Amino acid sequence: GESVGLHLPTLSVQEGDNSIINCAYSNSASDYFIWYKQESGKGPQFIIDIRSNMDKRQGQRVTVLLNKTVKHLSLQIAATQPGDSAVYFCADPSNTGNQFYFGTGTSLTVIP
Amino acid sequence: GAGVSQSPRYKVAKRGQDVALRCDPISGHVSLFWYQQALGQGPEFLTYFQNEAQLDKSGLPSDRFFAERPEGSVSTLKIQRTQQEDSAVYLCASRPPSTTGRGAGELFFGEGSRLTVL
Repeated sequence: GESVGLHLPTLSVQEGDNSIINCAYSNSASDYFIWYKQESGKGPQFIIDIRSNMDKRQGQRVTVLLNKTVKHLSLQIAATQPGDSAVYFCADPSNTGNQFYFGTGTSLTVIP
Repeated sequence: GAGVSQSPRYKVAKRGQDVALRCDPISGHVSLFWYQQALGQGPEFLTYFQNEAQLDKSGLPSDRFFAERPEGSVSTLKIQRTQQEDSAVYLCASRPPSTTGRGAGELFFGEGSRLTVL
């Protein structure tokens, strides 16, 4: 079945630095990916999505890069702030688009 | 409020008890999802509704789990004869109609119901 997985379970960055969170996927037919942020005690919050016809998409302080050749995507957060501390998930909807396979998440800690 | 509301936020049950978890989705969101999140793990899909129709229940782990959405708005996830392995956070999410132009992956999650089975 499909699977997505983040490369590192934890990541610590200094406030103001850029953060890069990586994610690999296994299903070469996957054509849509989503990033979510989950703060402690809260539900996941949508950050940004990207379709496979794009290799880059930018949001507010975030950029997602998609490399279909190696089945890898990354989330880049510019000028990381303490409020960015959370667990980040990449999600891969199934072919039905109604099941979302979340990875195990990367816990980002921002050091003031 | 304007967000997805779940209740109770915390539930402690003795093994063998039945529990019911409620989800109030955002008004106008026809799609509703239930996820289970074990400690330190990502959310795992349980079931999906479009209006009152349960279109996918393939993620429900056993026949002890049952979900309903009889009027196409509020949904209830029921777990019968709870077991310790049912301890988790149960997340509900709703999705706006595609006509709003939002992506299919943009789910709005509630804060979850944390179930602890003793």
